[in-house]
Amino acid sequence: AQSVTQLGSHVSVSEGALVLLRCNYSSSVPPYLFWYVQYPNQGLQLLLKYTSAATLVKGINGFEAEFKKSETSFHLTKPSAHMSDAAEYFCAVSDRKAGSYQLTFGKGTKLSVIP
Amino acid sequence: DAGVTQSPTHLIKTRGQQVTLRCSPKSGHDTVSWYQQALGQGPQFIFQYYEEEERQRGNFPDRFSGHQFPNYSSELNVNALLLGDSALYLCASSPSPGGTQHFGDGTRLSIL
Repeated sequence: AQSVTQLGSHVSVSEGALVLLRCNYSSSVPPYLFWYVQYPNQGLQLLLKYTSAATLVKGINGFEAEFKKSETSFHLTKPSAHMSDAAEYFCAVSDRKAGSYQLTFGKGTKLSVIP
Repeated sequence: DAGVTQSPTHLIKTRGQQVTLRCSPKSGHDTVSWYQQALGQGPQFIFQYYEEEERQRGNFPDRFSGHQFPNYSSELNVNALLLGDSALYLCASSPSPGGTQHFGDGTRLSIL
């Protein structure tokens, strides 16, 4: 069964500092991996996705993530945090076995940005 | 271009009642998936509909059922509501069962 572990339920960074949100996955087959962001009282917005092409994936709002098979990781980074980045971030995996396309999410990491 | 729309935005019910939540997919999308997000948790997959049939189901009891209409919109029905059913219910649509899922803003269901 596939699963996702997000290290750190709450991360605080100063405005302009590096953002690093950690995600480790387990999957029986090469997975597809996703990062979604959720602002208060809203649904999930796709930041970026890995679908077995380039291992370094660039997304919206300056975010990027690197797929590392040896570490089973897909950490999300942004060089310089902005106040508008404060939100909850979810990592998700889809192992895409035949007929199985469900997303399995981690528990989320709440990002706070300190002015 | 309208995204995924869900109705209602908020709903309050009592234990034992039944509820129906609605979802209109993004234009061009034919697949709808439903997720339950309890407070402080990540979303959990309930089921996926494609071609008006339930194609895949997560670990949810039969009290949770759904429907997809010919125009690709979908309903989620929950019977015999329990306090533990209080959650944000998210609908996601995709251009195919394996396509990237785009989420609506959800329906906040509170059970008293």
